[in-house]
Amino acid sequence: DGGITQSPKYLFRKEGQNVTLSCEQNLNHDAMYWYRQDPGQGLRLIYYSQIVNDFQKGDIAEGYSVSREKKESFPLTVTSAQKNPTAFYLCASSIRWSGGESSYNEQFFGPGTRLTVL
Amino acid sequence: RKEVEQDPGPFNVPEGATVAFNCTYSNSASQSFFWYRQDCRKEPKLLMSVYSSGNEDGRFTAQLNRASQYISLLIRDSKLSDSATYLCVVTLRVNYGGSQGNLIFGKGTKLSVKP
Repeated sequence: DGGITQSPKYLFRKEGQNVTLSCEQNLNHDAMYWYRQDPGQGLRLIYYSQIVNDFQKGDIAEGYSVSREKKESFPLTVTSAQKNPTAFYLCASSIRWSGGESSYNEQFFGPGTRLTVL
Repeated sequence: RKEVEQDPGPFNVPEGATVAFNCTYSNSASQSFFWYRQDCRKEPKLLMSVYSSGNEDGRFTAQLNRASQYISLLIRDSKLSDSATYLCVVTLRVNYGGSQGNLIFGKGTKLSVKP
């Protein structure tokens, strides 16, 4: 079955440690995204990538880093510079935005990783 | 001004009720519109896209008013399984620093359907 996987589902880390969250998709999508969701809040975009070897900062990129070496994979590293890292992290993918009035880019989400920094 | 605004709720309704959610967006360059559903502690999933002519899928009806920058979702004959948070989502037509096509999420409206 095609889909997006994220691992692990729950992650606990000590303050000051870097941690990498995995995201893999087999939907043959060009575009991938990382979001953060805090309780009672909407999803906020951290980083996105429209194509392999290219990525862009989203609205809240500080304290995070990503890589996009393969089409299927878009790992997110939460660094010690991120002041409030405890959150629900969601990865998504879509076809690449093609522009034009008829462009349509439904995003498919992975099950998410709940990161708790102690 | 927030880009996508929704009433957070919660909306507590009995089974069989009709419930309506509203959403306003601030950017007139918004192009595509969606309703996503998010169950507690789960990922969002697309419920339906919202087209200019309005669209219906079973018990769900979505409407778009571009002049008022307003989107609505109507759920008829509510079921217990409809209990979730409903997210209003838009994308922008123009390219702001490469963000064209990125989704902008509202904070969601929580629905609780009671027996």
